[in-house]
Amino acid sequence: GQQLNQSPQSMFIQEGEDVSMNCTSSSIFNTWLWYKQDPGEGPVLLIALYKAGELTSNGRLTAQFGITRKDSFLNISASIPSDVGIYFCAGPNSGTYKYIFGTGTRLKVLA
Amino acid sequence: KAGVTQTPRYLIKTRGQQVTLSCSPISGHRSVSWYQQTPGQGLQFLFEYFSETQRNKGNFPGRFSGRQFSNSRSEMNVSTLELGDSALYLCASSLGPSLDRTNTEAFFGQGTRLTVV
Repeated sequence: GQQLNQSPQSMFIQEGEDVSMNCTSSSIFNTWLWYKQDPGEGPVLLIALYKAGELTSNGRLTAQFGITRKDSFLNISASIPSDVGIYFCAGPNSGTYKYIFGTGTRLKVLA
Repeated sequence: KAGVTQTPRYLIKTRGQQVTLSCSPISGHRSVSWYQQTPGQGLQFLFEYFSETQRNKGNFPGRFSGRQFSNSRSEMNVSTLELGDSALYLCASSLGPSLDRTNTEAFFGQGTRLTVV
């Protein structure tokens, strides 16, 4: 099925480091959502973005809605061990309105 | 406010059997979507229901079906199970359908882990 491309696929970082990941699409999105999924659990909504250029923070997390509406970025500052998990971007495709999820970025934090 | 509740959490079935999974959305939410998650394919959209009507459908065979009740609870059914149907099935609820820009935030349940042997 159609998917959003996320990069990097995985990353290993030291505790305290900042993290950046992004999500790109070949088609326009009107909404971008960022989720985190822990093993064996459902994804948890972190941040929702509704407008091109919008920058929104949730604690140590900051996400941006790209100007072209075809990409979004998520930054995590001062990472901690509990940040470990898989981060997904998602949104309803503006043509089909179906929710599409990114391929995920697997984050591992080394203490 | 209770979150999205999926039952059962774990299920083991044999090939050829059928299975029904249940999802209770967040109170007040009228839209329920279902997803299949596998290591190889990631999160794949199955279908979306709003006000008891299927609004969207993903690219899955007819063995996968669903319905929504008047209280917004939803069930999905998979008939004639195949080994490849083993996956985490996730349900997400939102206030309105995905084509409503103001109500597009979806909240997920913990999922049902289905293993087909």
